[in-house]
Amino acid sequence: ETGVTQTPRHLVMGMTNKKSLKCEQHLGHNAMYWYKQSAKKPLELMFVYNFKEQTENNSVPSRFSPECPNSSHLFLHLHTLQPEDSALYLCASSQDLTGGGDTQYFGPGTRLTVL
Amino acid sequence: GQNIDQPTEMTATEGAIVQINCTYQTSGFNGLFWYQQHAGEAPTFLSYNVLDGLEEKGRFSSFLSRSKGYSYLLLKELQMKDSASYLCAVSDSNYQLIWGAGTKLIIKP
Repeated sequence: ETGVTQTPRHLVMGMTNKKSLKCEQHLGHNAMYWYKQSAKKPLELMFVYNFKEQTENNSVPSRFSPECPNSSHLFLHLHTLQPEDSALYLCASSQDLTGGGDTQYFGPGTRLTVL
Repeated sequence: GQNIDQPTEMTATEGAIVQINCTYQTSGFNGLFWYQQHAGEAPTFLSYNVLDGLEEKGRFSSFLSRSKGYSYLLLKELQMKDSASYLCAVSDSNYQLIWGAGTKLIIKP
């Protein structure tokens, strides 16, 4: 148990569907992250929030829309996705953004399949 | 550009020792992390190095040479449960983590 939970664990959706991924952290951290993990590729940072404010958006297509209502919850809203968006989506949290040794703690991920 | 290199896959025998290497080229350096990820599970933190040298933590040790842009993770007395992917990540000048693609370690009896 890492203190970061994600739901759902698995999601299959069509290209015209709208769905949301949810992440919750119980660690009292201030920073939260969305990553995309594709097979045999490095983790791709998508979004970063610090104290509920978005600080990074790494050129992510607009069909991915993040929402951070408070420091404990993070959502990723999905709409009109493409098959190449199929991947494992990981949420992580850390105490803060500053400090090189700030360890990120990950949730188990949502395995997304776009048909 | 920024780059992290590590072998794609390694095989080792139960009870043996294995060394997983990681080389990096990044804009700035604020430390290097190793994570373990079992199939279908979350990456979990193993170690953090910011100064040169060896950090030992039980069966796992991590080494860093900043001048060479090089690190390794050393796993001793391998157990079947050590079969997993091992991810190397560097914190760059903006404290953003740059990730390698991971090394899949297969342990054979």
